Amino acid sequence: EIVLTQSPATLSLSPGERATLSCRASQSVRSYLAWYQQKPGQAPRLLIYDASNRATGIPARFSGSGSGTDFTLTISSLEPEDFAVYYCQQRTNNWWTFGQGTKVEI
Amino acid sequence: EVQMLESGGGLVQPGGSLRLSCAASEFTFGNYGMIWVRQAPGKGLEWVSSIGTSDAYTYYPDSMKGRFTISRDNSKNTLYLQMNSLRAEDTAVYYCAKIPFSGACYFDYWGQGTLVTVSS
Repeated sequence: EIVLTQSPATLSLSPGERATLSCRASQSVRSYLAWYQQKPGQAPRLLIYDASNRATGIPARFSGSGSGTDFTLTISSLEPEDFAVYYCQQRTNNWWTFGQGTKVEI
Repeated sequence: EVQMLESGGGLVQPGGSLRLSCAASEFTFGNYGMIWVRQAPGKGLEWVSSIGTSDAYTYYPDSMKGRFTISRDNSKNTLYLQMNSLRAEDTAVYYCAKIPFSGACYFDYWGQGTLVTVSS
């Protein structure tokens, strides 16, 4: 089982600042990593797939990078609606795992 | 717009059973793999089970094998999760989600979830 470790657990920032979230895999997942955003009381929403591709309708301020075991989600300039929890996720051999989440708070 | 609506959640006693449903619309349901993911109160996301375009291809993490069964009825555009021998630690919101193509490593659409509470 591949374990995904996200850091930091909490990121305290202000609107307009840059957010950098990390996800590290216990073994290589090549570029097969996704990022989701979840707000309280809502289902997760796909942001980034295959490490660096923005999903439909996702603003350009969200970007993903990385391959192998180290991945980054960057929010270039935080908007008020971006304060939420972010999860990374991978699939290998029909086994799906999630990171434990990073909360981006004001 | 793609929609998925989960139902069947509720309060159940430890050791009991429950069947969740996920009704899909606005896409050709039978062409896509599907997945169940759960989230315990205040916790992160956990993969529960996944299925290919037919019941012939089903997958579970070890912690769910033997108690949970995923299935689908493509004629009814509906995904199911049969949960038996429920425990307090199964208390969670259960989401269904769509896999955009065979071999994809992400989910492009999620339902809003249904809450399962296991308690006496």
